[in-house]
Amino acid sequence: GEQVEQRPPHLSVREGDSAVIICTYTDPNSYYFFWYKQEPGAGLQLLMKVFSSTEINEGQGFTVLLNKKDKQLSLNLTAAHPGDSAVYFCAVSDPGTGSNRLTFGKGTKFSLIP
Amino acid sequence: EAAVTQSPRNKVAVTGGKVTLSCNQTNNHNNMYWYRQDTGHGLRLIHYSYGAGSTEKGDIPDGYKASRPSQENFSLILELATPSQTSVYFCASGGSFSNERLFFGHGTKLSVL
Repeated sequence: GEQVEQRPPHLSVREGDSAVIICTYTDPNSYYFFWYKQEPGAGLQLLMKVFSSTEINEGQGFTVLLNKKDKQLSLNLTAAHPGDSAVYFCAVSDPGTGSNRLTFGKGTKFSLIP
Repeated sequence: EAAVTQSPRNKVAVTGGKVTLSCNQTNNHNNMYWYRQDTGHGLRLIHYSYGAGSTEKGDIPDGYKASRPSQENFSLILELATPSQTSVYFCASGGSFSNERLFFGHGTKLSVL
C-alpha cells in the first residue's frame, strides 16, 4: 500500500522566517493530497487540499507544491508567526479504494524560537 | 462546520479491562474512521466504516473491534485493554469520494495501567 515519508520531524525557526516541510509518497497513482494542522490538545484541521491537476496552491501564509514526477509534496510556511506553532501532517488519499481513506506522514512539530 | 464529537475526552483503564470509545457525527457522512496517534508514528488507521452496519479493518486492527450501529455513531472497542494501547485516539468522518476532506474529533486520551 501507499507509504508516506515526512521530514523533518521537528522544525524550529525565528518569527518572520520561512520553513519547508516535505513529504514523499510511493504510489504513482495517488491523486489527492492534503495538509492538516494540529494545534496542542486539538484534532486535525484541514490546511489545504491539493489535486494532481494543480501544482501550486497558496493560502494565508503558506504555499503548497506538488511534484508528481518526484512524488513529492511540500508545505512552505512563509513569514512564520506564533499562530503557526503546531504539528503539521501531510496525507495521501488511497487511490485503490475509491474512498477518502488517508495515509498520513508521521508529522512535523513546528515551533518558533523565542 | 461539520461536527465530530468523541467521548470520553480522557480515560484511564486497567489492563485486561474493556474499553469503549464513542464517536458521533452530525454531518451525515457515510464514512467514519478510527485512528491512533503515537509519537514517531503519526496517525495510523485502526478501523473504518462505509455506513451503518459496516466495519472494515484498517492498517493496525489487532486488539480492536469496531461497531457502526447507525449513520451517526461509530465505536471503538478494546475487549482486553493492554498498556500498548495507551495512546490518543481520533475519530473522523468524511464523504464517499477520495477528494473529500476528513473532519476530526478532538481526540480521546487513553491510558491503560
